[in-house]
Amino acid sequence: EPEVTQTPSHQVTQMGQEVILRCVPISNHLYFYWYRQILGQKVEFLVSFYNNEISEKSEIFDDQFSVERPDGSNFTLKIRSTKLEDSAMYFCASSLRLTGNTDTQYFGPGTRLTVL
Amino acid sequence: QKEVEQDPGPLSVPEGAIVSLNCTYSNSAFQYFMWYRQYSRKGPELLMYTYSSGNKEDGRFTAQVDKSSKYISLFIRDSQPSDSATYLCAMSGAAGNKLTFGGGTRVLVKP
Repeated sequence: EPEVTQTPSHQVTQMGQEVILRCVPISNHLYFYWYRQILGQKVEFLVSFYNNEISEKSEIFDDQFSVERPDGSNFTLKIRSTKLEDSAMYFCASSLRLTGNTDTQYFGPGTRLTVL
Repeated sequence: QKEVEQDPGPLSVPEGAIVSLNCTYSNSAFQYFMWYRQYSRKGPELLMYTYSSGNKEDGRFTAQVDKSSKYISLFIRDSQPSDSATYLCAMSGAAGNKLTFGGGTRVLVKP
């Protein structure tokens, strides 16, 4: 069964450093998302991406964040200058978004980001 | 008022019992409703997906949506220890839109 994959599974970085989190969405999916989950808190939406541009972003997704689909398979989230409060699990998701009333988002296993 | 509310639990049941989970929400624009299962430090796994009001059954799982009450439910029949996890409700206003999650209910099924 196709699945969303993410690398690395765990990333440790120093405050102020740049990190890039990588995702390979399900191959025929068209919509891509990043969510994050701070330990013990809700899963929160960060950004959605379609047709090589951001379609929606939350207030969390400020100028420190960017997304890119550098080739036909990868989808990346970059944090330019990490802060302690960026420590969280980051989940990538993808969906096919069929026409009509069906749409399901499939999540990857997550990258645990620890900022020291 | 939070957009999506979910009792955090833990909800402890004996093996074989019916697990009953629910969420309430405040945004009447939500039309798509999902239940995800999340094991510790893993990604959410889609269990059920429902559009608008009504019931949907898949194996041991039944999802119900009552839009007039802004209330959704998930029932797990014949619960197994492997069902022990956190169950997240999620919803969106349109296909492809962001998901808004509840905080999750932790379920423990004891052998």
